Formats: sequence, structure tokens, C-alpha cells
Amino acid sequence: NAGVTQTPKFRVLKTGQSMTLLCAQDMNHEYMYWYRQDPGMGLRLIHYSVGEGTTAKGEVPDGYNVSRLKKQNFLLGLESAAPSQTSVYFCASRRREQETQYFGPGTRLLVL
Amino acid sequence: RKEVEQDPGPFNVPEGATVAFNCTYSNSASQSFFWYRQDCRKEPKLLMSVYSSGNEDGRFTAQLNRASQYISLLIRDSKLSDSATYLCVVNDRTSGTYKYIFGTGTRLKVLA
Repeated sequence: NAGVTQTPKFRVLKTGQSMTLLCAQDMNHEYMYWYRQDPGMGLRLIHYSVGEGTTAKGEVPDGYNVSRLKKQNFLLGLESAAPSQTSVYFCASRRREQETQYFGPGTRLLVL
Repeated sequence: RKEVEQDPGPFNVPEGATVAFNCTYSNSASQSFFWYRQDCRKEPKLLMSVYSSGNEDGRFTAQLNRASQYISLLIRDSKLSDSATYLCVVNDRTSGTYKYIFGTGTRLKVLA
């Protein structure tokens, strides 16, 4: 039981490049979340999903898109990376009936 | 005013000491409260939920004060292994959303 996994663990991008971050969970959780964590800012919600095929915007959605085609996967896309998107990205999931969130190990992204 | 505020610390305490953190929240309609622990460069993990009547888990005690809109975490008999950042998390479910607001965290260093 791997829990929540994130791919890649670390990535360097140039401004304007695109990439997709993958989050996968094997706990059959309904809800999934993407957060970013910056120094002094705490975790901020980018997008979330309450089930397969549904997504919604969080606090800081601009510059990101998401998809949840399969229940176990939640993808975060950056279409045209900007230096302001340099951050640590965490994915989390939880069961509908419980509020405990299980986090992945994070993806460190550096945009030059 | 930030939705969830915490003293960033660091709180430097000797082993065996008792330490307490507070966290204030701005939305009086908030319904669920949590403390997460985050080790350096790791993902957050749930430490404990905070119930209206207060709750205890070993050396850790959490309290909720709705009138003053704050939650607290008390750690007794501090261990070196308690050194981490403690995140306060609040969920507002009144609007039917599933968003969690994270504080910026309070850093604890337990000294030998």
C-alpha cells in the first residue's frame, strides 16, 4: 500500500515550458487536492476534486489546470511556467467520510 | 486579517518542558479543526483533530475556544523527536465547499 505518490520529485523548468505533475493514490479516496507551499505563506489550495471527472478551483488556480480522468489519479498541469510558480507542490487525498488528509511527499519545482 | 494565524516561532524549549501553541481563525462559521505536523522538507501528517470538548492523545492536548476563535496545542514532556513545524488547519463547510485553510505553521525546536 503506497498511499499517495507524486511524480516527479524534483524538476527544473525554463520560463514558458509546460509540464504535468502526477498524483496517484491507492486508497480509493474520493477527494483529492493540489496545494502549493511557499515560505511564509503556508499551504494554499490550487484545485481540488470531489470525484472522478469533477474538478474545482481553489484559492490560487491561475496558471494551472487539472484533470481527474481516473479516481486514483489527479494531474496538475502548468501550460506556460513562470518563475512565480517556483514552489513545493503537495497532493493530498481523503475519504468522503473522514477529514484526515493524506499527503504525498511533494514535488519541488524550480522555474528559471 | 489572515483566515488562520499562527506565531511562526521558533519556540526553543528544553527536553521535558511543556509548550503550548495557539492558532486563531477569522471565520466564526468554521466547523472542523486540526493540527498537522510537518518535518523539514517532508509532507504534513495529521497529528490530531480538535473537538469541541477538547481532546488528548498521550502527551498532546488540543483545545477549541469558539468564543475567542482559537485552537491550542499543548505538548507535555517534550522530546527531541517533537521538533517540527505544527500546522493549524481549519475547514469551513458552511458553503458546501471542501476547502481547508492552513496556517503558516509554528516551528518547535526541542533542545537536549
